[in-house]
Amino acid sequence: ETGVTQTPRHLVMGMTNKKSLKCEQHLGHNAMYWYKQSAKKPLELMFVYSLEERVENNSVPSRFSPECPNSSHLFLHLHTLQPEDSALYLCASSQDSGFAEQYFGPGTRLTVT
Amino acid sequence: RKEVEQDPGPFNVPEGATVAFNCTYSNSASQSFFWYRQDCRKEPKLLMSVYSSGNEDGRFTAQLNRASQYISLLIRDSKLSDSATYLCVVTADSNYQLIWGAGTKLIIKP
Repeated sequence: ETGVTQTPRHLVMGMTNKKSLKCEQHLGHNAMYWYKQSAKKPLELMFVYSLEERVENNSVPSRFSPECPNSSHLFLHLHTLQPEDSALYLCASSQDSGFAEQYFGPGTRLTVT
Repeated sequence: RKEVEQDPGPFNVPEGATVAFNCTYSNSASQSFFWYRQDCRKEPKLLMSVYSSGNEDGRFTAQLNRASQYISLLIRDSKLSDSATYLCVVTADSNYQLIWGAGTKLIIKP
């Protein structure tokens, strides 16, 4: 299935690096999301975009910076991360921000060394 | 108290058996409820919505108990392919925010 794609699938970065995660959805949805998933913990919603406008920012540290240039693309820019930021980062989309049926990408497994 | 609580398991169940697990939620104002499934090293996928009257989809039955604030998932005639982590999801007051449980791991053994 290629409804929501994410690149890269795996990323190892040092604490001083700058990198970006990319998400693209091919479903014609209006809302996109970034989640963080750590082992044995619930998914943590990081950012929500609806029609390219950010509608939610759940107290995420500024070392994570989202960008939504259009309704099909979503980026997560990373800089000066900490080892505890190592996790699976999942992108999702839904028809609109009020729709609970979300379609997820395969995720980026991030390791911060 | 966690907003959405699930028994992490794992539930080890023989193939063909029936298995059920619950999920409790703390916000009595929650309006919508869902079960997602996540296979190992894969992304979550919507399994089914949970309606007030309960609903069934093949071998899967979901129930909602608003008075006690829990939802349940029952799987009949379990298959090896049912092995996965089942995530309970509840909407918060704002419609777009989903509150996720940490999941219940199910292992179906031959």
